[in-house]
Amino acid sequence: SAVISQKPSRDICQRGTSLTIQCQVDSQVTMMFWYRQQPGQSLTLIATANQGSEATYESGFVIDKFPISRPNLTFSTLTVSNMSPEDSSIYLCSVRGQTSGANVLTFGAGSRLTVL
Amino acid sequence: QQQVKQSPQSLIVQKGGISIINCAYENTAFDYFPWYQQFPGKGPALLIAIRPDVSEKKEGRFTISFNKSAKQFSLHIMDSQPGDSATYFCAASTTSYDKVIFGPGTSLSVIP
Repeated sequence: SAVISQKPSRDICQRGTSLTIQCQVDSQVTMMFWYRQQPGQSLTLIATANQGSEATYESGFVIDKFPISRPNLTFSTLTVSNMSPEDSSIYLCSVRGQTSGANVLTFGAGSRLTVL
Repeated sequence: QQQVKQSPQSLIVQKGGISIINCAYENTAFDYFPWYQQFPGKGPALLIAIRPDVSEKKEGRFTISFNKSAKQFSLHIMDSQPGDSATYFCAASTTSYDKVIFGPGTSLSVIP
């Protein structure tokens, strides 16, 4: 399965600032997924990033707040803009693999953001 | 209809005991049911998965039981060990649908 590296692993940010999270995959993948995991909560899909096209955002998430770049098949960034304490979460990058035709997700270790 | 329900929210089991986590779904189009295990500071990792054409799948100490008519499935961890202490997420997806729907998670603590 793919190996995913995320940076930063954690950060403490001030309200109103923006932070960009980087995701690097060791193999070329068509689709990359960004998830948010709020404290003690499940994983919520923010958006799907395809190389060469605009990201597709899930309900409740907008491009102005979470702009995504996907410049090539191994790299993506997620920016959390104009942060508030409610944005304190773990942000996870993920790629999909196929096992017997099924969607198997591989995740990075996550980026834990704390907004003061 | 895309929701996956999971219980209990947290679970404490004695070492050597059986841990049981239950999940339920609504969408009959789901045809793949994975379980993910997440340790603190790590991303979730696939643990075991099942398709609805079988009622049970076993891998080592981990077993998934699947009841298609009830739209329920469960994870059983036999001979639970302290190293199994983690958060477990059940999930559901379809082969024609790019998204994976996760349950809310169960925090398992195995005490010596």
